[in-house]
Order: sequence, then structure tokens, then C-alpha cells
Amino acid sequence: NAGVTQTPKFQVLKTGQSMTLQCAQDMNHNSMYWYRQDPGMGLRLIYYSASEGTTDKGEVPNGYNVSRLNKREFSLRLESAAPSQTSVYFCATDPGQGADEQFFGPGTRLTVL
Amino acid sequence: AQRVTQPEKLLSVFKGAPVELKCNYSYSGSPELFWYVQYSRQRLQLLLRHISRESIKGFTADLNKGETSFHLKKPFAQEEDSAMYYCALSTFQKLVFGTGTRLLVSP
Repeated sequence: NAGVTQTPKFQVLKTGQSMTLQCAQDMNHNSMYWYRQDPGMGLRLIYYSASEGTTDKGEVPNGYNVSRLNKREFSLRLESAAPSQTSVYFCATDPGQGADEQFFGPGTRLTVL
Repeated sequence: AQRVTQPEKLLSVFKGAPVELKCNYSYSGSPELFWYVQYSRQRLQLLLRHISRESIKGFTADLNKGETSFHLKKPFAQEEDSAMYYCALSTFQKLVFGTGTRLLVSP
């Protein structure tokens, strides 16, 4: 079992370009999350999906959109990238039963020039 | 508002010394607290949670509701403990993370 996978591992964009970060899990979990990790800021929740077919904003949703394609996949889209979105992005999942352990992907390092 | 505070960005100790990573939280309900760890070039993973009250890799953490704290402790630090540690609070099926503390254990 791969657990939680993310693609790509690294990406460099120019300001204004768009891209989609992909996340997939084979753990049959209901809930999926997107975080960004910045030095001195910790992990901040961008969007989450409590179950297939639902998505909700987290702490820092501006500039991002998400799609819960099916139970396994949760993508994060940057429509017009900005330098402030330079960060490491992590996808995570949990069973969705409250106060569960979250399982994290390996991360995507994004640089916006 | 729910908030997790980790006051130290960096904690540097020598091997064999005791370690305490501080975590304070703000939450009006009954808190569910976790410590996550990220070793170099590895993904973030759960270290321990307060409801299990167990010791993992020699680390323990006790929830103190009076002081709203959940400090992580280890009596004798090892070099392999060097990592980034995050305290997290579970609220409404979401986790709120602190800003993290980097622990550096020198030989």
C-alpha cells in the first residue's frame, strides 16, 4: 500500500501560471486535507474534504481551489500563482471519525518566481 | 478561537540531556491534543496523542487543563530525536497546528 501519494514532488512556476497538485490515498479514508508549510508559520489548513462530495475552506483558502474527484483523490489548484504561494504543500487523510490520526503525503515543494 | 502556541522555534541540547518542548493551547471545549514529528527527508507522522497516554520513543506528554498545556518530555535525548516537532489540537474534525519547534540534539 502506498498510503498517501502526491505529485509532483517539485515545481517551479512563473507568476500568473496555473497548476494542479494531485493527492491520492489508498487507505479508504473519508477525510482529506491540504496544508501549506512555511518557516515560522507551521502547517496551515488550506481546504479540507470531510467526505466524498464535500469541500470546505480552511484557514488560508484564498488563491486556491480544490476538487474531491472521488474517495481516493483530492486535488489543489492554483489558478494564478503568486510568489506568496511559494511553500511546501502537504496532503493528509484520516478516517473521518473525529480526533483521528492524520496520515501525510511526502509533500510538494512549489516555488513561484 | 482555537490556537496552539509553541514558544520555542529552536531547542538545542546535548545527547543525554532532558528535553521539554512546550505547547500551550486555547480551546473552550474538551481538547484532543497530539504531537507530530517530521524527521529530515521524511513525511510528518504522529508521535503521540494525549488520550492514549503512552510513551513513544521515550517521549511522554501530559495534558494539564489548568495550565492549558501539553508539553512533550524526554528524560535523555538521543541524536536521532533531532527533528521538527508540531503540537496539534483537534477541533471539529480539523487539526490546528502550532508553529513547530526544531529540536537539535548534539553529540
